[in-house]
Amino acid sequence: AQSVSQHNHHVILSEAASLELGCNYSYGGTVNLFWYVQYPGQHLQLLLKYFSGDPLVKGIKGFEAEFIKSKFSFNLRKPSVQWSDTAEYFCAVMNTGFQKLVFGTGTRLLVSP
Amino acid sequence: DGGITQSPKYLFRKEGQNVTLSCEQNLNHDAMYWYRQDPGQGLRLIYYSQIVNDFQKGDIAEGYSVSREKKESFPLTVTSAQKNPTAFYLCASSDRAGTGELFFGEGSRLTVL
Repeated sequence: AQSVSQHNHHVILSEAASLELGCNYSYGGTVNLFWYVQYPGQHLQLLLKYFSGDPLVKGIKGFEAEFIKSKFSFNLRKPSVQWSDTAEYFCAVMNTGFQKLVFGTGTRLLVSP
Repeated sequence: DGGITQSPKYLFRKEGQNVTLSCEQNLNHDAMYWYRQDPGQGLRLIYYSQIVNDFQKGDIAEGYSVSREKKESFPLTVTSAQKNPTAFYLCASSDRAGTGELFFGEGSRLTVL
């Protein structure tokens, strides 16, 4: 069965620190990859997505993610975090054949000012 | 404003009672989804519907039922057969089934007493 692993459950950073959140998935076929973010008290929303093409994708608020097919990974990065990045981040994978979006367990990021 | 409206936001229920959670969207999206969010487990798919009058079971459909009689509406019933119903329930929609780009509602928190 398709699965998504997020290795960091809680991350605490100071403002201006660099961020990298890991995401690995188990399916070997064609996939669409996503990062969703849930800011405190807000809806879950799309941060960025990868369907095909350039494996380095850029999203909102300075976030980017790199798809490495050989490692089944789609790690999220940001060079310099801000206090407003405090949120829960979810990696998600859709197996284009099954059309189901499978989420990882999420990573809670706390950025201290 | 276009979006997804879930109601109620908070709901308490006694054991043995069925409860129905409402989800309405005015985005003219074809596909709608129900997820359950539990701490440390991410989001798990309960049911999804790609078109009116059709729906499919997700990964944890036991104890739940849905209907899709109108494009805008996808109510979820949590039945008394659901063994652990206390959770946060999220409804989502997508304009194209199978892309993984979901728009989420604010969620409904169900507590069984």
